[in-house]
Amino acid sequence: GAVVSQHPSWVICKSGTSVKIECRSLDFQATTMFWYRQFPKQSLMLMATSNEGSKATYEQGVEKDKFLINHASLTLSTLTVTSAHPEDSSFYICSAPQSSDEQFFGPGTRLTVL
Amino acid sequence: GENVEQHPSTLSVQEGDSAVIKCTYSDSASNYFPWYKQELGKRPQLIIDIRSNVGEKKDQRIAVTLNKTAKHFSLHITETQPEDSAVYFCAASSSGGGNKLTFGTGTQLKVEL
Repeated sequence: GAVVSQHPSWVICKSGTSVKIECRSLDFQATTMFWYRQFPKQSLMLMATSNEGSKATYEQGVEKDKFLINHASLTLSTLTVTSAHPEDSSFYICSAPQSSDEQFFGPGTRLTVL
Repeated sequence: GENVEQHPSTLSVQEGDSAVIKCTYSDSASNYFPWYKQELGKRPQLIIDIRSNVGEKKDQRIAVTLNKTAKHFSLHITETQPEDSAVYFCAASSSGGGNKLTFGTGTQLKVEL
C-alpha cells in the first residue's frame, strides 16, 4: 500500500508559540490531503482538506487563521498551529487518497502545549 | 453534512466469541464505508471496507455488511482473539463529497481470556 509519513511524531511547545507539522506522501502524488485531530478517547475529527496549489477547505468550527495549511507540492502538506494553547494539545493525523477512495494515514503527531 | 453513529461504545467478549459493531449514516450519497482498528497512540489501520454496490464482504475472520436502504453497516469479527482488543472506528465518505471521511465515535473492544 501507499506510504504517508508525518514529522515530527511528537512535539512539546510553550503556550503562544507556533508549531509546524509535515505530512508527506512517499511513493505517490496526492493532490488532496486531509488533516484530522483526535483528542484522548475520542474519534477522529476532520479539520480541513488540503488542496495542492489552492486554498484549504476548513470544516465548520475550525479557525483557518489558527490552523494554517499549505500544500505547495504534490507530496507535501503542512499544518501550522499558530499561537498554540493547552487546549490545542491533541493527536494530529493526516491522510491522503492514492487513486481511489481508500485513505492512507500518516503515523500521527502528538502535540503537547505547556 | 454526513453524520455517523456507532454502537456500542464498549464491547467485552470472551476469546473465541463473535463481536458485532454497528454503524448508521445519514447521507444517502455516501458510497464508501471503511472500518479501522486503532491501537493506542497509533494511526488507524484499515481492516476491511465496503462500497455501496456490494451488500457483504468477508476477509477471513472479519466481515462487513451494508444495508443501503436502512443506511447502516456492521462489522463482524468471529473467533475473537486477545490481539483483536483495540478501538474500532467505522467511517463513511462519498466520491461526490471529495472522499473526506466522517468517523463514528468508536468502539473499545476487549477480548478476555
